[in-house]
Amino acid sequence: KAGVTQTPRYLIKTRGQQVTLSCSPISGHRSVSWYQQTPGQGLQFLFEYFSETQRNKGNFPGRFSGRQFSNSRSEMNVSTLELGDSALYLCASSLTPSEAFFGQGTRLTVV
Amino acid sequence: QQQVKQSPQSLIVQKGGISIINCAYENTAFDYFPWYQQFPGKGPALLIAIRPDVSEKKEGRFTISFNKSAKQFSLHIMDSQPGDSATYFCAALGTGNQFYFGTGTSLTVIP
Repeated sequence: KAGVTQTPRYLIKTRGQQVTLSCSPISGHRSVSWYQQTPGQGLQFLFEYFSETQRNKGNFPGRFSGRQFSNSRSEMNVSTLELGDSALYLCASSLTPSEAFFGQGTRLTVV
Repeated sequence: QQQVKQSPQSLIVQKGGISIINCAYENTAFDYFPWYQQFPGKGPALLIAIRPDVSEKKEGRFTISFNKSAKQFSLHIMDSQPGDSATYFCAALGTGNQFYFGTGTSLTVIP
């Protein structure tokens, strides 16, 4: 069974640009959550999607957005990038709320 | 405000020793407490988890001890091995399928 696939693995962007990250969940998993991981703040919840609907959102500015497609694949977008957005962005897919399987993440560097 | 507090930040243990990582939480609505293991360049992987109606859960060399009245739980790694060297995160599942993570413990097991 394939795991959670995140693409790309690494990204370098310039301040002010926007970026789109992709996540393909485990087959059959309809819930996809996104987390930001930084050395200072640890893992912080961004949002969760289920059946193409955002069910929950963390405390991040509106520059962070996401969506989910009918095949459960999800994308997150960050607009007007800031240096502080540099982080590892992790996607987790779940069949049940308690079991979250994480991808390897996308390492975003904003310069 | 950190919903889940984790200590220590780093831990060095001799091979064969016991590694102990502690976490505390405040929100009594949390109803699932997993531990994740993360190696460099990888996403967090579920190690072991417990629900609050159980005081202890053991899987191989890994044990979770849970104290509901004190709102604390801990991970014990028996017979620690160099391959256990990784960062460990405790977490708690809250409403909205959102995980709240501790800040992580970097474990180094010396051969």
